[in-house]
Amino acid sequence: DAGVIQSPRHEVTEMGQEVTLRCKPISGHDYLFWYRQTMMRGLELLIYFNNNVPIDDSGMPEDRFSAKMPNASFSTLKIQPSEPRDSAVYFCASGALRGSEAFFGQGTRLTVV
Amino acid sequence: AQKVTQAQTEISVVEKEDVTLDCVYETRDTTYYLFWYKQPPSGELVFLIRRNSFDEQNEISGRYSWNFQKSTSSFNFTITASQVVDSAVYFCALSHNNAGNMLTFGGGTRLMVKP
Repeated sequence: DAGVIQSPRHEVTEMGQEVTLRCKPISGHDYLFWYRQTMMRGLELLIYFNNNVPIDDSGMPEDRFSAKMPNASFSTLKIQPSEPRDSAVYFCASGALRGSEAFFGQGTRLTVV
Repeated sequence: AQKVTQAQTEISVVEKEDVTLDCVYETRDTTYYLFWYKQPPSGELVFLIRRNSFDEQNEISGRYSWNFQKSTSSFNFTITASQVVDSAVYFCALSHNNAGNMLTFGGGTRLMVKP
């Protein structure tokens, strides 16, 4: 298996622009997570899905952030409009079962200038 | 509320030394899971181990070993005979059964192994 695949690996955008991050989870995994990593706040969960349904989005910082999972093999995290404070590494992860380990993608390093 | 504390923000050792990374957690749940992840300089997060709250047996995998003690709410990680390739940030994490697979991460410990 290729593991969790994220794209793009790096994204530089100007403040106010829309940014879309993409994720392909490991086939057969029922859980998908979006995490954000910053120096100030460490690793924090933004949202997670179970069987394509959003279960907990309490970590989404504000309405500028939205996430979708239209099918079992694809998810997006969108920021509109982006702001410099959104600069971070965004990780997607997937897990097979409740309580199982999550496998992480390589991350997308987002820089908003 | 759940919390994971990794009090050591940075540790520096010389190659071949043993090193222990501390992890203390807080949870009110009786069923929960503990994890360790490694983040090398390349940035990806690599899964190392998962332990459930009912299994307090220590685990050894090569040079790595883990000590889970429910009485002190700790899940410490020891690397024996450290190598330069062990240099990374190590994260301890906690999830509880009632929250699916949501992970609460500690702040991480940066380990530097010098030749």
